[in-house]
Amino acid sequence: DAKTTQPNSMESNEEEPVHLPCNHSTISGTDYIHWYRQLPSQGPEYVIHGLTSNVNNRMASLAIAEDRKSSTLILHRATLRDAAVYYCILRDPTGNQFYFGTGTSLTVIP
Amino acid sequence: NAGVTQTPKFRILKIGQSMTLQCTQDMNHNYMYWYRQDPGMGLKLIYYSVGAGITDKGEVPNGYNVSRSTTEDFPLRLELAAPSQTSVYFCASSYSAGNTIYFGEGSWLTVV
Repeated sequence: DAKTTQPNSMESNEEEPVHLPCNHSTISGTDYIHWYRQLPSQGPEYVIHGLTSNVNNRMASLAIAEDRKSSTLILHRATLRDAAVYYCILRDPTGNQFYFGTGTSLTVIP
Repeated sequence: NAGVTQTPKFRILKIGQSMTLQCTQDMNHNYMYWYRQDPGMGLKLIYYSVGAGITDKGEVPNGYNVSRSTTEDFPLRLELAAPSQTSVYFCASSYSAGNTIYFGEGSWLTVV
């Protein structure tokens, strides 16, 4: 699986939108872009994923660049419960394993 | 459904001891994974399995062994524990390679 690059940390004010970037310049045509988050002292949990088109769900939105070499996870209104480490991962459905990077630690300021 | 269940949640081992971390899932998932997470770091893949009877190494397999005799269970064995194996261990599963991955709550292991 290709690797991803994310900023180590970001801050956001409560109830404001947050844009978490991810670079994946070596992405292949079959790689899906997945986002997971890890709350303190918990296992990671699924947030959203996409292939080419932008995606929305109840948790977040995923904006994918036209060349697919970068993507952005958008939290529309950050809450204190969104403080977590966010991981951007590439998954090839034909492959058997995937790798986590160090992720982005999001701090939400009341 | 319980999802992915790991036991024990906490354990202290002495150097040279052995132990098994248990992992079971009730979602009939084919794929199962073991990760370790050192303080302030991301997750590193130790071993994974694509089905009963099939296992393979990940990034950091040294010092560990796994087996997959049933679809539900994927135990991780630590042989001759070392302080470098002090970490949080996460078991995970997914239906297939491209599907959502579900994680257990983690097992905190300290080797002294």
